[in-house]
Amino acid sequence: KAGVTQTPRYLIKTRGQQVTLSCSPISGHRSVSWYQQTPGQGLQFLFEYFSETQRNKGNFPGRFSGRQFSNSRSEMNVSTLELGDSALYLCASSVTGQIPSPLHFGNGTRLTVT
Amino acid sequence: AQTVTQSQPEMSVQEAETVTLSCTYDTSESDYYLFWYKQPPSRQMILVIRQEAYKQQNATENRFSVNFQKAAKSFSLKISDSQLGDAAMYFCALLQGGSEKLVFGKGTKLTVNP
Repeated sequence: KAGVTQTPRYLIKTRGQQVTLSCSPISGHRSVSWYQQTPGQGLQFLFEYFSETQRNKGNFPGRFSGRQFSNSRSEMNVSTLELGDSALYLCASSVTGQIPSPLHFGNGTRLTVT
Repeated sequence: AQTVTQSQPEMSVQEAETVTLSCTYDTSESDYYLFWYKQPPSRQMILVIRQEAYKQQNATENRFSVNFQKAAKSFSLKISDSQLGDAAMYFCALLQGGSEKLVFGKGTKLTVNP
């Protein structure tokens, strides 16, 4: 079974631009979560989607948004990029239905904002 | 609010020796789960071990075991017979029951010396 796939692996953007990151979960997994990892703040929860609906949201500004498609693939978007958005963005998928569902993480997308 | 604290930013161990990584947490919920994740340089978060709060017995997975002290809200990870491949960042994480939102500690960087 293929693991969680995140694309692209690396991204360099300029302040003020917007960016879209993609996550393909493990086949059969319906829940997708996103986390931001920075040296200063560590790992912070962004949001979680299940069956195309956002179920949980972390404490991030509205510039961070996401969506999930009918095939469970998910995208997250960051608009009006700031230098502080430079981070590793991790996506995780789980089956949901068993509690707690073990999270399976991807290799992340490293975003650099200049 | 839930918090997870890892007080050891870095630890080192000799190959074949045993090392213990510390973690304390705080939650007002009675239904929760605790995890240790490993993040090697490849960036992928890998589940090492998990513990259900309602279980008194400490979880074990091969060379990995935990010391779960519920009253003290402590959840330490013991790695026996350390191997070079164990070198990584280790994150302690807390999951509230019914939620997909993991709360992570800041991590402990483990170095294994040959």
